[in-house]
Amino acid sequence: GQQLNQSPQSMFIQEGEDVSMNCTSSSIFNTWLWYKQDPGEGPVLLIALYKAGELTSNGRLTAQFGITRKDSFLNISASIPSDVGIYFCAGQRSGATNKLIFGTGTLLAVQP
Amino acid sequence: DSGVTQTPKHLITATGQRVTLRCSPRSGDLSVYWYQQSLDQGLQFLIQYYNGEERAKGNILERFSAQQFPDLHSELNLSSLELGDSALYFCASSGRTGEWRTGELFFGEGSRLTVL
Repeated sequence: GQQLNQSPQSMFIQEGEDVSMNCTSSSIFNTWLWYKQDPGEGPVLLIALYKAGELTSNGRLTAQFGITRKDSFLNISASIPSDVGIYFCAGQRSGATNKLIFGTGTLLAVQP
Repeated sequence: DSGVTQTPKHLITATGQRVTLRCSPRSGDLSVYWYQQSLDQGLQFLIQYYNGEERAKGNILERFSAQQFPDLHSELNLSSLELGDSALYFCASSGRTGEWRTGELFFGEGSRLTVL
């Protein structure tokens, strides 16, 4: 099945550090989203981006919709232990359905 | 709590068997989606239903089928199970009137299927 390329695959950081991750695709998407999955839970939406070039924040999280519409970036500032989890990007091509293509995931571990 | 309920949470069965996974969407949501999460394939879209009708299909095997009932709950049927079908199966919902936001899905906690 199709997946978006996400990097890095995993990150092990100290509390207070900033984090950056990105997601790339060979094709264009009209919507980019970032989800987080905690252990034993389903993914939860963090940020949604609807326009090329758009920069959106949600607390300490900031995400950008790439100008080419083929990539997206997520930054987490001043990480805290509860940021631990797997972060997934997801792309959607058309608005008719919510059929999302998910990235391969970035595992984030934060050491207090 | 997303409001999406999935049962069972865990299921262990043998190859060749058939299982049914059940999903109750968030109150008011009209769309139900099924995703499969495995270590090698990641999160893969299987199928979407909207108000009882199939809306979109992904990488769903012919051995798998789904339906959405008039009360909007959904079932995913997996038959002739193979070892490779072992995975976490997520149901998600969206589409509550007045709350539609493209791409925003509310996921359940998943049903972990182990085929031995």
